Amino acid sequence: AQKVTQAQTEISVVEKEDVTLDCVYETRDTTYYLFWYKQPPSGELVFLIRRNSFDEQNEISGRYSWNFQKSTSSFNFTITASQVVDSAVYFCALSEARNNNDMRFGAGTRLTVKP
Amino acid sequence: SAVISQKPSRDICQRGTSLTIQCQVDSQVTMMFWYRQQPGQSLTLIATANQGSEATYESGFVIDKFPISRPNLTFSTLTVSNMSPEDSSIYLCSVGPRAGLGEQYFGPGTRLTVT
Repeated sequence: AQKVTQAQTEISVVEKEDVTLDCVYETRDTTYYLFWYKQPPSGELVFLIRRNSFDEQNEISGRYSWNFQKSTSSFNFTITASQVVDSAVYFCALSEARNNNDMRFGAGTRLTVKP
Repeated sequence: SAVISQKPSRDICQRGTSLTIQCQVDSQVTMMFWYRQQPGQSLTLIATANQGSEATYESGFVIDKFPISRPNLTFSTLTVSNMSPEDSSIYLCSVGPRAGLGEQYFGPGTRLTVT
């Protein structure tokens, strides 16, 4: 069965620090998607990125970057020069091709960025 | 991405009563999903609702407790029946891509408190 582990329950950093959120996944499927979502205090889930299992290329979007490594079953998320507005709960999620659209979420990491 | 609205945004209900949550999408979508997020927890999939067919429930969730309707391609409802304080959660609907794997987009959620 698919599983997503976010070992970091809470992280606290000071503004402008870099921070990496870890995500480790388990799946028996060879075709799958990985996702990151942000849930700010308002509660709405904001989609950040999707990665498919055949594309290990890392991605950068502004201050955000993602490192996908199939060898370690990890899909880590780094925020560079963190800002107070980055404070939120971040969820990593996984969907397998054989369980079409059945998205499993990790427990989430609560990031607090202090001014 | 689709624009998704939910009603009500929040409610306080008494034990033993039922609440129906509405989810409206601004475009036609094939797949809609209902999730529960208990306080401080991750998201758990309740059921998948496809238009024209019965909802598919995940392990631990039953139709008698969480009946779902999907009358057309832009609307769905979730009813939380015979509520108890353990049902206090955020309930979120989401929509998935037309075909195959992909990210889901979430509504703002309904924050339910049962007293």
